[in-house]
Amino acid sequence: ETGVTQSPTHLIKTRGQQVTLRCSSQSGHNTVSWYQQALGQGPQFIFQYYREEENGRGNFPPRFSGLQFPNYSSELNVNALELDDSALYLCASSYDPPGSSGGISYEQYFGPGTRLTVT
Amino acid sequence: GNSVTQMEGPVTLSEEAFLTINCTYTATGYPSLFWYVQYPGEGLQLLLKATKADDKGSNKGFEATYRKETTSFHLEKGSVQVSDSAVYFCALSKVSGGYNKLIFGAGTRLAVHP
Repeated sequence: ETGVTQSPTHLIKTRGQQVTLRCSSQSGHNTVSWYQQALGQGPQFIFQYYREEENGRGNFPPRFSGLQFPNYSSELNVNALELDDSALYLCASSYDPPGSSGGISYEQYFGPGTRLTVT
Repeated sequence: GNSVTQMEGPVTLSEEAFLTINCTYTATGYPSLFWYVQYPGEGLQLLLKATKADDKGSNKGFEATYRKETTSFHLEKGSVQVSDSAVYFCALSKVSGGYNKLIFGAGTRLAVHP
């Protein structure tokens, strides 16, 4: 069974630039959630994708956007980077039964994260 | 709204000492409760979970009991090891708006010395 993988591991960007982070879900999982973990804090929910659509969103501005692909992998895009976007970005996958509205499963499995530094 | 509060760290213990990390939550209804562990430079690993009142989650010698009356889910271990040094996060999950998200506490750093 393949776990959740994320790429890249580390990334350094300049304020105002755009960034794309990638996530491959655990084998058999069809729902992907993204979290932002600032230094010394707990992760904060950004959004969740199920069946290639955004299923729910936390308190993040529209410049944070995402995609989910037919193979359930996902991307997180951040435009107009700000210094406060520096954080560890975590992807988590879970399984929701076909026919459900998605996002029902409470067991989420996390990847190792992408460390983004904005200078 | 839903929230999780856990004791501030760092918690520093000697090997084989007893560990308690306090966690309380605020939520309507009956959330599921979790403890996650984060080792240095790594993502989060699910340590244990409980989905209803009075459930006890356990794994690798760690235990936590879902206490509805005190809205608590304290993490305990009878004898810690140096390898337990990590940051521990308490979290709740509840379906809201048609989807489930995890709400985390701020984390408690544990340092175990030989």
